[in-house]
Amino acid sequence: GAGVSQSPSNKVTEKGKDVELRCDPISGHTALYWYRQSLGQGLEFLIYFQGNSAPDKSGLPSDRFSAERTGGSVSTLTIQRTQQEDSAVYLCASSFSIVRGNEQYFGPGTRLTVT
Amino acid sequence: SQKIEQNSEALNIQEGKTATLTCNYTNYSPAYLQWYRQDPGRGPVFLLLIRENEKEKRKERLKVTFDTTLKQSLFHITASQPADSATYLCALNPRGYSTLTFGKGTMLLVSP
Repeated sequence: GAGVSQSPSNKVTEKGKDVELRCDPISGHTALYWYRQSLGQGLEFLIYFQGNSAPDKSGLPSDRFSAERTGGSVSTLTIQRTQQEDSAVYLCASSFSIVRGNEQYFGPGTRLTVT
Repeated sequence: SQKIEQNSEALNIQEGKTATLTCNYTNYSPAYLQWYRQDPGRGPVFLLLIRENEKEKRKERLKVTFDTTLKQSLFHITASQPADSATYLCALNPRGYSTLTFGKGTMLLVSP
């Protein structure tokens, strides 16, 4: 079946603009995760959803970052007033459930460049 | 502080040899440990999961060990091939947490 898809694949934006990144998880996966990967850095956890709710928002780097998930499926990550340090690859993953031990299936990522 | 350490230097080996990658962690008590492969420009791909009460797990040419006393996992690829060249990430499910914490990964280069 189809894997996790993300759009856009690349986004170049000017500092101060808002951006929206989209993730479409594998059908039937109730858990969805957002990560950020900067050059030479590991995956930084941002937020996860179980269904439509986000029990843990502690990974979001600032209040400029927000995410929502509707209908237990598609999720959007919004970054307001982008800064140059927001430049990174944003990865989305989904898993069958949030139960520990479930492997995560990743999308190809969105490369965000803030100029 | 909590740390997951993987060798930041690339591992270069010849085709046919066994590659061994190391993942060390401190101040975690993981219930599970997972290994992922990441190719340039792509998202990570799940390879293997091992539980805290398992010492070893195998899948085809892959083998993972998990030593909770040493706080270390070893990832082995036997009969390595150039197609195995990628970055390999280790990730922990800490006890009580359902999300993963990733190491920075080790790049493996297999030359023909």
